[in-house]
Amino acid sequence: GESVGLHLPTLSVQEGDNSIINCAYSNSASDYFIWYKQESGKGPQFIIDIRSNMDKRQGQRVTVLLNKTVKHLSLQIAATQPGDSAVYFCAENKNYGGATNKLIFGTGTLLAVQP
Amino acid sequence: NAGVTQTPKFRVLKTGQSMTLLCAQDMNHEYMYWYRQDPGMGLRLIHYSVGEGTTAKGEVPDGYNVSRLKKQNFLLGLESAAPSQTSVYFCASSYRASSYEQYFGPGTRLTVT
Repeated sequence: GESVGLHLPTLSVQEGDNSIINCAYSNSASDYFIWYKQESGKGPQFIIDIRSNMDKRQGQRVTVLLNKTVKHLSLQIAATQPGDSAVYFCAENKNYGGATNKLIFGTGTLLAVQP
Repeated sequence: NAGVTQTPKFRVLKTGQSMTLLCAQDMNHEYMYWYRQDPGMGLRLIHYSVGEGTTAKGEVPDGYNVSRLKKQNFLLGLESAAPSQTSVYFCASSYRASSYEQYFGPGTRLTVT
């Protein structure tokens, strides 16, 4: 597998604390927003998505919040564990006509969980 | 299931050389994608395919070609490699175009000297 470059904003948290990872997006027309997790040496892995007409969506230990007024997306991870250490990417979905959708990825945030 | 696999894992090329990266998926997904990942720039879509025999350009297609002769395979070709193509390349697949859950391979690190 391959590693991600380290020129990333970093969030350092203690094990057991809650983590909040933020993302700003640019396109008001995006209809879905998605969070991906990328562990060192691996490809990105889907975590959760949220439709643009929603403000909040919860998954297992994760919550995504969407604030369309300020074009802001956040991922909250409850009771952060060492296995959560990874780079987290937000992505917005753009429709280019027809049935074709494409994801536009952000630059990522490195979450470092301290034991 | 193996999911999405990529070969090779690493490759070093000299400027002007050519190579093909192979992506294979065993999930019977219709859609396949090639991305490149550079430090500080996130993932950028190179080309994608909406089904066997079809391909389309993504955000950064210049210098790359692709082919989807079989549903399970998506090939990315570099005809004349340039140092600017030094990157980590990821292949992904999804069941349908409206699926935001893309399954990614482990990546290929390519260095062009």
